[in-house]
Amino acid sequence: SAVISQKPSRDICQRGTSLTIQCQVDSQVTMMFWYRQQPGQSLTLIATANQGSEATYESGFVIDKFPISRPNLTFSTLTVSNMSPEDSSIYLCSALDPGTVNTEAFFGQGTRLTVV
Amino acid sequence: GNSVTQMEGPVTLSEEAFLTINCTYTATGYPSLFWYVQYPGEGLQLLLKATKADDKGSNKGFEATYRKETTSFHLEKGSVQVSDSAVYFCALSGFSGGYNKLIFGAGTRLAVHP
Repeated sequence: SAVISQKPSRDICQRGTSLTIQCQVDSQVTMMFWYRQQPGQSLTLIATANQGSEATYESGFVIDKFPISRPNLTFSTLTVSNMSPEDSSIYLCSALDPGTVNTEAFFGQGTRLTVV
Repeated sequence: GNSVTQMEGPVTLSEEAFLTINCTYTATGYPSLFWYVQYPGEGLQLLLKATKADDKGSNKGFEATYRKETTSFHLEKGSVQVSDSAVYFCALSGFSGGYNKLIFGAGTRLAVHP
């Protein structure tokens, strides 16, 4: 299956600042997603990153707080804006490509974000 | 709505013990079911999957059978090892209105002692 690289792997940020997380897939994929995993909890889908158009956000998540880009079929970024301690989480990029060998979602290693 | 419910952890076992982690789901349409595993400090890895009723997914000694009548997908392993210590997530996709999205259960932490 394809490999996802996320950068940075971890960061400690000051409240009120923004952090952009990069997700690079080693092959072209149809669909990319961003998930949040709050401490000790499960994964929650933030949005679907759509290539060449605006991301599709899940209930409770908005573009102003989590702007997403997807300029091509192998790359996406998630920005966590105006951070507060409540944004401290692991953020995971996921991808899948229905109809190919990558029919199941696979995940990056995650970005562990701590906001102080 | 669509949801996944897993047994709460942590589950603590001795090496070579039998493992069951219960998972039940609620979904519209005809979902696929998955077990993902997260080892300490790592991302998620797909452990096994089943795409239709009565399918059995298996991998690395783990098994789970898609039971539509009981809406369950329990994870089992006959003899656990210390290296199986991780967090296990049950998930579903392919539900109506969200075909490629994954909905995860809360996760069950497994600790295996020598």
